[in-house]
Amino acid sequence: SQQGEEDPQALSIQEGENATMNCSYKTSINNLQWYRQNSGRGLVHLILIRSNEREKHSGRLRVTLDTSKKSSSLLITASRAADTASYFCATDARTGNQFYFGTGTSLTVIP
Amino acid sequence: DAGITQSPRHKVTETGTPVTLRCHQTENHRYMYWYRQDPGHGLRLIHYSYGVKDTDKGEVSDGYSVSRSKTEDFLLTLESATSSQTSVYFCAITGNEKLFFGSGTQLSVL
Repeated sequence: SQQGEEDPQALSIQEGENATMNCSYKTSINNLQWYRQNSGRGLVHLILIRSNEREKHSGRLRVTLDTSKKSSSLLITASRAADTASYFCATDARTGNQFYFGTGTSLTVIP
Repeated sequence: DAGITQSPRHKVTETGTPVTLRCHQTENHRYMYWYRQDPGHGLRLIHYSYGVKDTDKGEVSDGYSVSRSKTEDFLLTLESATSSQTSVYFCAITGNEKLFFGSGTQLSVL
C-alpha cells in the first residue's frame, strides 16, 4: 500500500490553542498537500508544499516537509471552533498523476 | 463545488447486484479519480482516468471497473456488489496540481 499515516488519529483542543498534526508517507514525491473534510462533505484543498520546499505558510496554516524522514506536519494556529474537521495529507506518486492519502486526523476545537 | 456532480448521492443495494456510480464534471479536466473512504483507512484510490478511454488501476481496484467514454463522465461499476464495498465513494478531478472533490455517494450493500 502506498497510503501514508497520520498522527494523532484524533485531537481535541480548546479554542485559541494551536493544533499540530503529522503525516508520514512511503515513496518519493513531487509535492505534498493537505486537505480538510467537514462531516458529510467532500475534501477541500488547503495547502501544497513541493518536495524542494521545507516550510510554507498560508494564513493560520503552517506546513513543514522533511523529505529525508518522509514526513510532514500541519500547524493550525489560534484554532477556532469552525476548524473542527478531519485533516488529510496527500502525496503524488512520482511515476504519474496519482494521489495517495493518509488515514486522517480528526480535530475537535472546543469553544 | 468545482463543477463535479456525483449521482446518486445515496444508494442501498443487495449483495450480488451490479451497481454503477456516475461522476460528471463541467471543467473539461483530463484526469478523473474514484476513491473510497472508510473509517480507519482514509481515502483509497480505486481507479483513475487520464483521458477518454484511458484508465488505470489504483490501490483497491479488485471488484471494480470504470469507463470513460466522454471527457465529462467517469463511471464506476461494482460488478457484483459485496458487503465489503459498503463505503462512501468520492470522485475527484485535478486542476493546478490540486484535487477537487465531489460531494460523495454513500453506498450500502446489504
